[in-house]
Amino acid sequence: EVQLQQSGAELVRPGTSVKLSCKVSGDTITAYYMHFVKQRPGQGLEWIGRIDPEDDSTKYAEKFKNKATLTADTSSNTAYLKLSSLTSEDTATYFCTTSGYPGVMDAWGQGASVTVSS
Amino acid sequence: DIQMTQSPASLSASLEEIVTITCKASQGIDDYLSWYQQKPGKSPQLLIYDATSLADGVPSRFSGSRSGTQYSLKISRPQVDDSGIYYCLQSYSTFTFGSGTKLEIK
Repeated sequence: EVQLQQSGAELVRPGTSVKLSCKVSGDTITAYYMHFVKQRPGQGLEWIGRIDPEDDSTKYAEKFKNKATLTADTSSNTAYLKLSSLTSEDTATYFCTTSGYPGVMDAWGQGASVTVSS
Repeated sequence: DIQMTQSPASLSASLEEIVTITCKASQGIDDYLSWYQQKPGKSPQLLIYDATSLADGVPSRFSGSRSGTQYSLKISRPQVDDSGIYYCLQSYSTFTFGSGTKLEIK
């Protein structure tokens, strides 16, 4: 059974960047597409993008193309989400998920909270 | 972009009822539709994929169906533990979540 362990909560200053990690255990990361999903406090789910760790190809939702960068390190079985030029609008919980079956988010990390505040 | 219109926004049901939540796609999505349950403070969990297939370990009281571009999640004889927020997700063209349905089982 694949498990995802995300990095801890972050408190960051506006205008800076933050990099979140998502470590896969129980299988090799190259077996999956890795997605990241945003959830603002009390709000719904929003797809950010996905990476194929096999070839580092990425796809992003249009609104996150200048905000998010996805990378993966196959040697550590870890995917990363970097968020840049942070504003209060980026305050949210960010989930990583695997997609071992096309289009289906079948395993989820526990979420990583990011708070943007001066 | 494909829009997913989910309804209702919230509902309350008893243990004896049949609960139905719907998502209408703005265009055809070829059954690239999955359903997720999220409980407070937790990550979402997969319930249904490919519109009608039950995910591993999900109770058989959950089922999915389609009529045209409208997809439905049905919970027959819901349990109190089924309370939470339910989301649909289309993956036909990039990914779009529905707005969510908050379900309370009394």
